[in-house]
Amino acid sequence: AQTVTQSQPEMSVQEAETVTLSCTYDTSESDYYLFWYKQPPSRQMILVIRQEAYKQQNATENRFSVNFQKAAKSFSLKISDSQLGDAAMYFCAYCPPGNQFYFGTGTSLTVIP
Amino acid sequence: EPEVTQTPSHQVTQMGQEVILRCVPISNHLYFYWYRQILGQKVEFLVSFYNNEISEKSEIFDDQFSVERPDGSNFTLKIRSTKLEDSAMYFCASRETAYNEQFFGPGTRLTVL
Repeated sequence: AQTVTQSQPEMSVQEAETVTLSCTYDTSESDYYLFWYKQPPSRQMILVIRQEAYKQQNATENRFSVNFQKAAKSFSLKISDSQLGDAAMYFCAYCPPGNQFYFGTGTSLTVIP
Repeated sequence: EPEVTQTPSHQVTQMGQEVILRCVPISNHLYFYWYRQILGQKVEFLVSFYNNEISEKSEIFDDQFSVERPDGSNFTLKIRSTKLEDSAMYFCASRETAYNEQFFGPGTRLTVL
C-alpha cells in the first residue's frame, strides 16, 4: 500500500531560523516523484518543491531544499531563513508515474516573529 | 502562465441537492483529477480521467459522483444527491503527461446544509 506519513502535526520556528519538516513514505516502486505542497489559509495548494526518485541530487528552490533518502524512504523539507509568509500547512506527496497523488496528513508550520 | 481554474469558488447547497463543480484544466494537459479535502484533514484522491474515461477511482467515488468532459475544455464533477459529509474543499488537477507534476486549481469550497 502506498502511504505517506508526516509525524509532526505542528511545528514552529523563529523568523530567520531554519526548520525541517519530516516525511516518510512506503512503496515498492523504484520510479516515482515526491513533492512538498504549501497550503495557506486560502487553502490553495502551492507546489514548493519536487524530487524525482531517480535523481540522487537533492532538489533545491531558493530557501527550500529537501533531504531525499531513497533507501530509507524519507523526504524531509528544510526551510532556511524562515519568513512570516512561510506559515502554512505543508503536505508531503508521493506520486508513481501516471498515477494519483498520495498525500500525508500535513504539518502546520507557525513562524514566530 | 497557464493555470487550472475552478468555478465556483464557494458553493452552498441543501442536503439532497445536485451540484456540479467545474474545472478548466491547462489546455495541453491530458490527465485530469479530482481530489477532496475535508476541513482539517488530508487531501484525498477521488478520481482520475484520461482519454475521455475514468482511469481510476477511489472508494469515496461512489454512485453519487460522476465526472464528465463535456466540451473538450471543461472537466466537471457532479454530486447527485449531496450529503452533509460531502462538505469539503474540492480540488481539480491536471498534468500534461504521466511523468509531470499535477497542477492544482484553487479549489471549490462546498458547504452542504
